[in-house]
Amino acid sequence: QVQLQQWGPGVLKPSETLSLTCAVYGGSFSEYYWSWIRQSPGKGLEWIGEINNSGSAKYNPSLKRRVTILLDKSKNQFSLKLSSVTAADTAIFYCARRVDNAGSDFYMDVWGKGTTVTVSS
Amino acid sequence: QSALTQPASVSGSPGQSITISCIGSSSDVGLYNFVSWYQQHPDTAPKLIIYDVSNRPSGVSNRFSGSKSGNTASLTISGLLADDEADYYCSSYTSTGTLLFGGGTKLTVL
Repeated sequence: QVQLQQWGPGVLKPSETLSLTCAVYGGSFSEYYWSWIRQSPGKGLEWIGEINNSGSAKYNPSLKRRVTILLDKSKNQFSLKLSSVTAADTAIFYCARRVDNAGSDFYMDVWGKGTTVTVSS
Repeated sequence: QSALTQPASVSGSPGQSITISCIGSSSDVGLYNFVSWYQQHPDTAPKLIIYDVSNRPSGVSNRFSGSKSGNTASLTISGLLADDEADYYCSSYTSTGTLLFGGGTKLTVL
């Protein structure tokens, strides 16, 4: 049973860098892509980006200038960094496993529980 | 990139069927069969209920079904139960190699 456990600071000040980590327990790390999604208060889901086992990352164009997703294969972890945060970045951030099957699938089948991040001065 | 278009809300009585639409474009929903649907109950993470347009993950009730026609995908829930009351989101792979979500639909079971 694969589980994703995520953590990171819950409160940030404007202009700081958000840093979240997601650990993968109980399953293969190398066969999947690893994603970050956020949900602003009362709003819908927004895809932030993903990274594969080779360390190749893709980002949402609207966030690309500020986002970095990294992989630590030795710990079965991946992380999100979002720089220069503002109040508009206040959201619940989810990590998720994305199924690829050599390019024949594209969906998130396992999700972390979410981390609430508030940006406030 | 604009979000996929979903109705803000739908409702139905127990036992009835409802359908939620998800309108995209020829660069996403219309181009790939990589449409998935997620159910989200309050204060919980989204849960995958449909992938690749019409496939159900193991453990998901067969009351949930998905389809696609042109640039529009649809989720149908039959035999509505009280527990189906939740938010539903569609998503699609896009021609730019990114993922797009719909704005979400709140389902109310009357």
